[in-house]
Amino acid sequence: AQTVTQSQPEMSVQEAETVTLSCTYDTSESDYYLFWYKQPPSRQMILVIRQEAYKQQNATENRFSVNFQKAAKSFSLKISDSQLGDAAMYFCAYRTLNTPLVFGKGTRLSVIA
Amino acid sequence: DAGITQSPRHKVTETGTPVTLRCHQTENHRYMYWYRQDPGHGLRLIHYSYGVKDTDKGEVSDGYSVSRSKTEDFLLTLESATSSQTSVYFCATNVAGISYEQYFGPGTRLTVT
Repeated sequence: AQTVTQSQPEMSVQEAETVTLSCTYDTSESDYYLFWYKQPPSRQMILVIRQEAYKQQNATENRFSVNFQKAAKSFSLKISDSQLGDAAMYFCAYRTLNTPLVFGKGTRLSVIA
Repeated sequence: DAGITQSPRHKVTETGTPVTLRCHQTENHRYMYWYRQDPGHGLRLIHYSYGVKDTDKGEVSDGYSVSRSKTEDFLLTLESATSSQTSVYFCATNVAGISYEQYFGPGTRLTVT
């Protein structure tokens, strides 16, 4: 079974600084998709960024970027110029086209003003 | 926003009573999912549906049943609620045109006393 591991239960970052959240996954598949979701106190699950495994180029969405290392099965999220609104739970998730999302246990990010 | 609503948004019930949660979508998506979220566990898949009357079990399906008689509605039923089913429940669907990307409803907080 596929598993997703987030080894950092909690992280903190100073406002305007950069922080990296870690994620590793285990799979025997070659074609799959990886995601980072943000869950603020409102509880809504918000898609932050996605990465297709067949793409070598790392995905970027404004201040959010990923470091996708397929051989190492690693998928970290970098948040640049951190803002107070970035404070939330962040979940890493994996799926293939024919299987539902599998989530990590999450990393709680605090942003210090 | 994939047009997903969940009802009720909050519910308190007693052990042993039946409970049904409803997920409604307006985008005619084929795939729908039910997850539960618990501290320290992330989101775990309960059941999912790949079409009307077509459903399958997820990782934590014991004690839950589902039904999908219309494309737009996916019901989750706890036949006899237990305290271990106190959780936040999320519904999700696949976004049309991007079949691997899931969007989530606002969640239902269920408390079983």
